[in-house]
This record gives sequence, structure tokens and C-alpha cells, in this order.
Amino acid sequence: QKEVEQDPGPLSVPEGAIVSLNCTYSNSAFQYFMWYRQYSRKGPELLMYTYSSGNKEDGRFTAQVDKSSKYISLFIRDSQPSDSATYLCAMEGGKLIFGQGTELSVKP
Amino acid sequence: EAGVAQSPRYKIIEKRQSVAFWCNPISGHATLYWYQQILGQGPKLLIQFQNNGVVDDSQLPKDRFSAERLKGVDSTLKIQPAKLEDSAVYLCASSPKGDTGELFFGEGSRLTVL
Repeated sequence: QKEVEQDPGPLSVPEGAIVSLNCTYSNSAFQYFMWYRQYSRKGPELLMYTYSSGNKEDGRFTAQVDKSSKYISLFIRDSQPSDSATYLCAMEGGKLIFGQGTELSVKP
Repeated sequence: EAGVAQSPRYKIIEKRQSVAFWCNPISGHATLYWYQQILGQGPKLLIQFQNNGVVDDSQLPKDRFSAERLKGVDSTLKIQPAKLEDSAVYLCASSPKGDTGELFFGEGSRLTVL
């Protein structure tokens, strides 16, 4: 079993839709939870960062962490074509482990 | 603030040849990472430096890969000899702190081994 599991997609939605991206993990030592966004032929950039269970909101983005279920989510409201990218979950607990990434396409 | 700089952006080599990638992190960032990202996969850590010292190189194939960070700033990753399966994007990242996951990535060096 991989330490971090992420559905690779691809996921295609119409502009304005609500997008839900998810990851599960197996290592209870993970303390920090991140979402990175990676545009084609670019390096990943940090999008959201959370330390504990609960929700964190930043504009159209909401990150949710449920440590009891070992499950994290990223919600994107009012999705835009500019949100089209690969979204990588990442977790830190002595070592940073990335998920496989979910490729998202938002169609105008 | 200048970002993480990497070069070259693209490199094509024959198998068994050697290649080197260079990284200049964000000024003042003590921690530097090299990741390997194979197409369709998430980045995999190859090596982590804290200043001049190696923190983690457990996933670095040491028979063919080497990395150094002289004077705690720039870093070089070398592959010799290259194999077909080394075709990937090599990402350099830096961080002001080494244990929170807040990394700043460069654009990557895309390697194709023929």
C-alpha cells in the first residue's frame, strides 16, 4: 500500500463547477498537509497548507483535513479555465511525500 | 524575490552518457531538495540538503547519481551513466525551514535518455 493515494483522473468539469479533489494516507506521523498546483511544464507551486484537522479557506479554495479518517480534500468553487492543472497532495511527517497528482481540466 | 533557478531546461542524451543539472535556490533558504518526477507521477525525493550537509539521500541511486551543495548555496545533480528509466523531470526546490513541507520549486530540467 502506498503511503499516499490520489486518484490520477483526468477530471474534466465545466466552468463554474465545484471541484473536489481527494487523497488518503496511511501514515499517522504526517503532521502537515499541503496542496500543490502544477501547470504543464512548470514546477509545483504551493496552493494550500494546513497543520491540523479542520478546514482552511483561501478565496475559491478550501482545504479540509480529517486526521481520524486519514483523508484530505481540496475544494475549488466557481472553477475557472485557469484552474486547469495537475493538483498534487503532499504530506510531511519527517519526510515530504507527494501523491500521484490529479489532472484537472476546466472547460469554458 | 527571485525564484529557484535551474538549468538546463531540456537535455537529450544517449544511454550510458552522463549529464549534470544545476540549481540555485532562493537566497537565504537553508534547505535544498532534488526531486525526480516521472511522467504521470508525483515528485519523488532524491536528496535533501540542510546547508552543506545531507539530511536524506535514502532514495538516491548512489551507483549512478551524485549530488553536491558547495558552500551551502548552489547544487549540482549528476547522473553517470544514464539509463532509459532516468528519463524524467528533475526538480530542485528550496525551503526556509526543513520540516514543514513549504517548498518553492524551480521549473525543472527535463531529461530524455535515448
